Amino acid sequence: AQSVTQLDSHVSVSEGTPVLLRCNYSSSYSPSLFWYVQHPNKGLQLLLKYTSAATLVKGINGFEAEFKKSETSFHLTKPSAHMSDAAEYFCVVSDRSWGKFQFGAGTQVVVTP
Amino acid sequence: SAVISQKPSRDICQRGTSLTIQCQVDSQVTMMFWYRQQPGQSLTLIATANQGSEATYESGFVIDKFPISRPNLTFSTLTVSNMSPEDSSIYLCSVQRNTGELFFGEGSRLTVL
Repeated sequence: AQSVTQLDSHVSVSEGTPVLLRCNYSSSYSPSLFWYVQHPNKGLQLLLKYTSAATLVKGINGFEAEFKKSETSFHLTKPSAHMSDAAEYFCVVSDRSWGKFQFGAGTQVVVTP
Repeated sequence: SAVISQKPSRDICQRGTSLTIQCQVDSQVTMMFWYRQQPGQSLTLIATANQGSEATYESGFVIDKFPISRPNLTFSTLTVSNMSPEDSSIYLCSVQRNTGELFFGEGSRLTVL
């Protein structure tokens, strides 16, 4: 069985300040982990993924995430928020079976000027 | 990446009617997935559509309510039947690449009055 918990349903940051979105997972197997972003009225776009290579994963738009097995976490960070980062973010876990993905509840990010 | 086109992008429907959503992928894929995203919620898998066989439905979803077609390796349709306001959601088509991640269409935003 697998599950994922996004610890914050809503995060508000000022433009230019760091962003931290927290994600904890549970998986019976060595998981694959993903972060997706959904802008208003858009589909989901892949930000980055972890699939057992380097534990620090760099993604698009300056985002990165660190896989910590001991803490079962996969937190997403960005050093400096931009107005365009305002969106919904989803942490996703997969046990690598074809088509088996578990989505977190999502974190809404608001960026203020 | 994959280019996934969905139609319609949005629609407003009357209670009791049915709507068919189309999903076209730019390359052949074995499995296509249909997700539902209710307002303010995360994604829930409705079913997996395999070419040449019946779709596999997740718990809580039935073929009579959400019939799916998969006539070839690049196309699928999802019908939402006998709609009620509770069916107002975003319906998303997705595919999984050999690299492991899911790719999504832009979604079909359905409002039922």
